[in-house]
Amino acid sequence: DTGVSQDPRHKITKRGQNVTFRCDPISEHNRLYWYRQTLGQGPEFLTYFQNEAQLEKSRLLSDRFSAERPKGSFSTLEIQHTEQGDSAMYLCASSAHRATHKNEQFFGPGTRLTVL
Amino acid sequence: QKEVEQDPGPLSVPEGAIVSLNCTYSNSAFQYFMWYRQYSRKGPELLMYTYSSGNKEDGRFTAQVDKSSKYISLFIRDSQPSDSATYLCAMSPNTGNQFYFGTGTSLTVIP
Repeated sequence: DTGVSQDPRHKITKRGQNVTFRCDPISEHNRLYWYRQTLGQGPEFLTYFQNEAQLEKSRLLSDRFSAERPKGSFSTLEIQHTEQGDSAMYLCASSAHRATHKNEQFFGPGTRLTVL
Repeated sequence: QKEVEQDPGPLSVPEGAIVSLNCTYSNSAFQYFMWYRQYSRKGPELLMYTYSSGNKEDGRFTAQVDKSSKYISLFIRDSQPSDSATYLCAMSPNTGNQFYFGTGTSLTVIP
């Protein structure tokens, strides 16, 4: 399977715990994006990387959230001291950002987080 | 006001009907327009990708962009029960940056 993969698919945690999600993009894609989606809403942008550089962060990304892409391949999204409001689907997408390319974003299956 | 507005539905049609899904937007800088299909508890799947104004057709799907009206549409011909899903519009001012999504329209095609 050469699509975007995310792990875990589901995570249930207690309020105050830390959680970490992983995203593996399509292998030749140099851009990686994180979005958050709550029930009945469209995905909301959190942050994106070009290779290992984090180029943009949304104001939605509070200090409790941190994302990394250390070697320009997979990425992790960590949420510290989780709150019930963090319960959502966390989506990862990747694109091959080149001047002559369409730059479509392809999404993974998401990680569904439930904070009790 | 949200940057992208989309009627959440739900929309219910009989099999074989033509479906029209729409989004409006406020940011005149948007140039790239996408439609995604999302099944329940799955990630969005790209259906159509268009640049600027005009029409694009792919099989049973046609995407239209009217930048003068800040209005985009997705038409589904000969709708099938397997088309039952949530349809999300997305747009961006330039390539490679974040996408701005609508809330999604829930579609059910009844056999």
